Amino acid sequence: GEDVEQSLFLSVREGDSSVINCTYTDSSSTYLYWYKQEPGAGLQLLTYIFSNMDMKQDQRLTVLLNKKDKHLSLRIADTQTGDSAIYFCAVPGNNFNKFYFGSGTKLNVKP
Amino acid sequence: EAGVTQFPSHSVIEKGQTVTLRCDPISGHDNLYWYRRVMGKEIKFLLHFVKESKQDESGMPNNRFLAERTGGTYSTLKVQPAELEDSGVYFCASSQLGLPTGTDTQYFGPGTRLTVL
Repeated sequence: GEDVEQSLFLSVREGDSSVINCTYTDSSSTYLYWYKQEPGAGLQLLTYIFSNMDMKQDQRLTVLLNKKDKHLSLRIADTQTGDSAIYFCAVPGNNFNKFYFGSGTKLNVKP
Repeated sequence: EAGVTQFPSHSVIEKGQTVTLRCDPISGHDNLYWYRRVMGKEIKFLLHFVKESKQDESGMPNNRFLAERTGGTYSTLKVQPAELEDSGVYFCASSQLGLPTGTDTQYFGPGTRLTVL
């Protein structure tokens, strides 16, 4: 199966940029995903990137994909306290019959 | 459009008891998935239904876990008898049938937090 690794914690000050990193092992996935889990809530689809793209920008979010190094990152510009959450990287397995997740990165935004 | 719903949101039971979790997918989604997150670790796949058929149940921990999806709509996940290590958050997700245009994106429910004492 797929191995997905993320750092567990990230702490930034309000207004700074946050960069959350993810590495994966063996995947031929067409898409790679970022999910967000706010305290007490479920998993919310944040964004995804098509595997033949290097970068995708969506307002304050930028997703970077280095397919050669199997490295995915999520950059949040002008981080706000409302961005405090756990961010999960998700990589589909073959045939999209399951997702492989990292342990999640807990983002703490200090005022 | 209603999202994926799960019931109950929390369940606290004693070791040896039985618990049944329910998931209602997004209307029209043929794919239904169960996942579990234990003790702050990664979210792990349990099984996948396509309509009422089990497509992949390779992630089910053992035969104390039974998932059903009668009629291809909602699904239940029963744990009987529950053990301490079954504690965690159980997530359900659904997606449309259709590849590889991105319609396979999985939409998750809020999860059921199960605590076994």
